Amino acid sequence: QVQLQESGPGLVKPSQTLSLTCSVSGDTITNNLYSWNWIRQPAGKGLEWIARIFAGGSTNKNPSLGGRTEIALGTTKNQISLTLTSVTAADTAVYFCVRSTYNVNSYFDLWGQGILVTVSS
Amino acid sequence: DIQMTQSPSSLSASVGDRVTITCRASQHISNFLNWYQQKPGNVPKVLISAASNLQSGVPSRFSGRGSGTEFFLTISSLQPEDYATYYCQQCYGTPTFGQGTRVDI
Repeated sequence: QVQLQESGPGLVKPSQTLSLTCSVSGDTITNNLYSWNWIRQPAGKGLEWIARIFAGGSTNKNPSLGGRTEIALGTTKNQISLTLTSVTAADTAVYFCVRSTYNVNSYFDLWGQGILVTVSS
Repeated sequence: DIQMTQSPSSLSASVGDRVTITCRASQHISNFLNWYQQKPGNVPKVLISAASNLQSGVPSRFSGRGSGTEFFLTISSLQPEDYATYYCQQCYGTPTFGQGTRVDI
């Protein structure tokens, strides 16, 4: 059974950098059948896709985040990392690590439980 | 970016009602459209992919249709466990979600 587990700090100060890790168990992140995504959800609000990375290392990012994001594969540890720089209170949200099918009509088929990140001084 | 707009933002319905949610894309996306259900405190769950493909294990009272820029999610007979927020999501370009439709009593 494949599982995704997010980890990282629950509290980040404004203007600092947020770093999160997603640990994947039960599958390998180099599996070409999937891409690996980060999605966030502020409390009581909707879903915002942040970025994705494919097994080969190519990435796509949400342009609305203004180039503040980086996503990477940690092949030695079967992990996916997310970095978000210059955070503000608007970045306070639950951050999900999410697997997506890698086909013509892809969809998000497996979600981690999410990690709440609060940006506050 | 492809913008996704859902309507209504929320609705109240009773058990047994037929409920339809609309999702409109800012440009043509063929059938590259998925629907998710999210209950409070839970992660989203995919209901329908490719506009009309019901996922395994999803009750047949859920259905999706549409193509191009206009899509619909229908619950033919609302059940108590269907009270949730529903999101559409396009996969034609980099993914974007609709703002969600909350279904409650």
